[in-house]
Amino acid sequence: EPEVTQTPSHQVTQMGQEVILRCVPISNHLYFYWYRQILGQKVEFLVSFYNNEISEKSEIFDDQFSVERPDGSNFTLKIRSTKLEDSAMYFCASSVSDRTLHFGNGTRLTVT
Amino acid sequence: GQQLNQSPQSMFIQEGEDVSMNCTSSSIFNTWLWYKQEPGEGPVLLIALYKAGELTSNGRLTAQFGITRKDSFLNISASIPSDVGIYFCAGRTIQGAQKLVFGQGTRLTINP
Repeated sequence: EPEVTQTPSHQVTQMGQEVILRCVPISNHLYFYWYRQILGQKVEFLVSFYNNEISEKSEIFDDQFSVERPDGSNFTLKIRSTKLEDSAMYFCASSVSDRTLHFGNGTRLTVT
Repeated sequence: GQQLNQSPQSMFIQEGEDVSMNCTSSSIFNTWLWYKQEPGEGPVLLIALYKAGELTSNGRLTAQFGITRKDSFLNISASIPSDVGIYFCAGRTIQGAQKLVFGQGTRLTINP
């Protein structure tokens, strides 16, 4: 069964550094998302992306965050200057329509 | 904002018992999804519900979309050890086009 793949599985970075989290969504999917989950908490929406532009974003997704679909397969989340509170699991998801989302296994981001 | 209240937060049961968990909200939702998350992995879709009153089964799992559109429940019958994990409800409101709002999760532990 096709799946959403994310790399790396674990990223450690120093505060203030830029990180790029990478995702390869399922190939025929049209909607792409980033969610995050702080340890022990619920999953929170960050941003949705459709037709090569952001369609919706949350208050968490401030100017430090950006997304890009640089080619036909990858979908990236960039954090420009990481903060300690950015430490979390970041999940990429994709869907055919705006209905059911399929999630990747996540990237654990640790900011020190 | 839209909040989902999921209960119970945790359950400790014996293998073979039935399980019931639910989510409620003060907002109206047009989609309810139930996910399971295991350690180190992303949420995996169990059941998707799109119409008020809809009752859908997936093996030993049954979920319903409440008639008021403000709640949903998930039942697991005859639990087995591999049912262990965290179960999340997630919903999409009529106003929010793509954002999924997640509940806080129900952690299920099974004693063999």
